[in-house]
Amino acid sequence: GESVGLHLPTLSVQEGDNSIINCAYSNSASDYFIWYKQESGKGPQFIIDIRSNMDKRQGQRVTVLLNKTVKHLSLQIAATQPGDSAVYFCAENIAGSQGNLIFGKGTKLSVKP
Amino acid sequence: GAVVSQHPSRVICKSGTSVKIECRSLDFQATTMFWYRQFPKKSLMLMATSNEGSKATYEQGVEKDKFLINHASLTLSTLTVTSAHPEDSSFYICSATVMWGMRTEAFFGQGTRLTVV
Repeated sequence: GESVGLHLPTLSVQEGDNSIINCAYSNSASDYFIWYKQESGKGPQFIIDIRSNMDKRQGQRVTVLLNKTVKHLSLQIAATQPGDSAVYFCAENIAGSQGNLIFGKGTKLSVKP
Repeated sequence: GAVVSQHPSRVICKSGTSVKIECRSLDFQATTMFWYRQFPKKSLMLMATSNEGSKATYEQGVEKDKFLINHASLTLSTLTVTSAHPEDSSFYICSATVMWGMRTEAFFGQGTRLTVV
């Protein structure tokens, strides 16, 4: 298990640069993946999702890439802004489950002005 | 989009007392809601699955007698932390899922910061 006091991985980027946040998932039966953004003291907010029959999906300034071979998911944020500073979690849904999500450990994104 | 409202957003209680947290789906019916717990700088951990009209399903290691879940209607699930202790202090978050055709999306409440003193 995790050690008490283990800090979240942090990604620090300059405003205007692109950010790439990575996530490894564990279950081959997962059929749906979501990226969430969580600001301090708030609940997670949906950013973008992707089904397992796709390998790429684009939104506004965000792109999610899925590599099922190595069970890897990434979130790319273009032209990162200070408002993007938050903790980002990936989540997987296992096919046939009721919709309860399994969350990754999270990455803290800090944007320097 | 769908909205999930969680109340209260913050609560401070004394050791030994009980605290109730409400989770409401405001514009849709949720037969299933989920309760998560989040420690500082940690990810969300599923505590239990709340099913309308039936008993909740608890994850391994979560005490059902301590964390009472009631899902009496299609729009409301409650989590009651009974006989709270300082180690129960945490951020509690509920969610409800909605099926949009082939896609399932989870909507989260704002979270409740519980501090037990």
